[in-house]
This record gives sequence, structure tokens and C-alpha cells, in this order.
Amino acid sequence: AQKVTQTQTSISVMEKTTVTMDCVYETQDSSYFLFWYKQTASGEIVFLIRQDSYKKENATVGHYSLNFQKPKSSIGLIITATQIEDSAVYFCAMREAFRSSNTDKVVFGTGTRLQVSP
Amino acid sequence: GPKVLQIPSHQIIDMGQMVTLNCDPVSNHLYFYWYKQILGQQMEFLVNFYNGKVMEKSKLFKDQFSVERPDGSYFTLKIQPTALEDSAVYFCASSFRTGGNQDTQYFGPGTRLLVL
Repeated sequence: AQKVTQTQTSISVMEKTTVTMDCVYETQDSSYFLFWYKQTASGEIVFLIRQDSYKKENATVGHYSLNFQKPKSSIGLIITATQIEDSAVYFCAMREAFRSSNTDKVVFGTGTRLQVSP
Repeated sequence: GPKVLQIPSHQIIDMGQMVTLNCDPVSNHLYFYWYKQILGQQMEFLVNFYNGKVMEKSKLFKDQFSVERPDGSYFTLKIQPTALEDSAVYFCASSFRTGGNQDTQYFGPGTRLLVL
């Protein structure tokens, strides 16, 4: 069964610094997809970045990047040059490959609340 | 990025009543989902829907729940009758496909349902 674990409940940083949020996952599938979403104060859920398990290169989008350590089943999110508006709850999520698991549901972690201060 | 819309944003109803939550998915997307988020917790999968059929549902998708998308209009989640434990935020999501780099699920802003 799929499982996603985020152990950090909240992180506080000063703006313009770099923050890393941890996430570990469990899956029996050899092919899977990892996602990070953020939930803003208004409740909106925004897709940020993804990593496909077969890709060795860490994904990067804007000031978001991933630290994918497949042997450790770990997918950390790195935010560089943080801004006040990055304050939100960040969810790590995983989906297994449909052809092998016959499901395309996304399983979410419990989230990490990021507070960026001036 | 792609936008999913949900109507209404908030709904308050009495226990036992019926409620319909509406979702307007991304225009060219083919796969539709509902997730439930209880306050302060993570989102949990309810159901997915493709080509007019439920493809998969979780144990949270009770018999009182139903989904449909008549004639390409809104993708709806109906709860009849509602129970107190149905109070939550319901998120709709859609994706273009289920494999490859076009299968990212995009989420709507949620409907906050309060059952009294």
C-alpha cells in the first residue's frame, strides 16, 4: 500500500533563505510519480513540481527543486530565496503507475506548514 | 496553470438533506477526481471518474455518495442523505490522462461543506 510521511509539522524561516522540506514514501511499485503541492491560506491547492521515479535528474521549476534519493525513498522539496508569499502548507504526494497498480489515486502526506518572516 | 473551478465555495445544510457539489474541470481533461479534507488533515481520495464511469472508489465513498458528469457539463458529487461526518472540504481534481507527463492532477479551490 502507498504511504507518504512528512515528519516536519511546521518550519519558520527568514525570507530570502533556503528551506528544505522532507518527505519519505512507501510503495511496492517500481514505477511511481511524486508531487509537491502547496495549500495557501485561502485553501487553494497549487501544483508545484513533480518527479517521475524513472528519471535520475532532480526536477527544478523556478525556485523549487527536488532532492530525489530513490534508495532512501525520499523526495525533499527545496525552496531557494524564499518569499513571504511562500508561506503555506506544503503537501508531498505520490501516485503509482496505473498499469501496474490499477489505481491513479494520489496519496498525500500530512503537510508541512512553512512560515516565512521578513 | 490549468484552472479547475468549484461551485459553491461554501455550503451549509441540515443533516439528512441532499447536497450537490459542482466542479468545472480543465477543458481538455478526461479524468476527474474528488478528494475529502477534514480540517487540519491531509486530503484523502474518494473517487475517480472516466468516460462516464466510476473507475475506482475508496472506503470513504459511502453508498450515499454518487458522481456524474451529464453531457460534458459539471462533474458533480452528490451526497444523499448527508451526515454530520460529511462536514469537510471537498476538492475536485482533473487530469488529461493517467500515464506519462500529462497526468498531473490539478485541483479546484474546494467546497467547504458544513452539515448541521
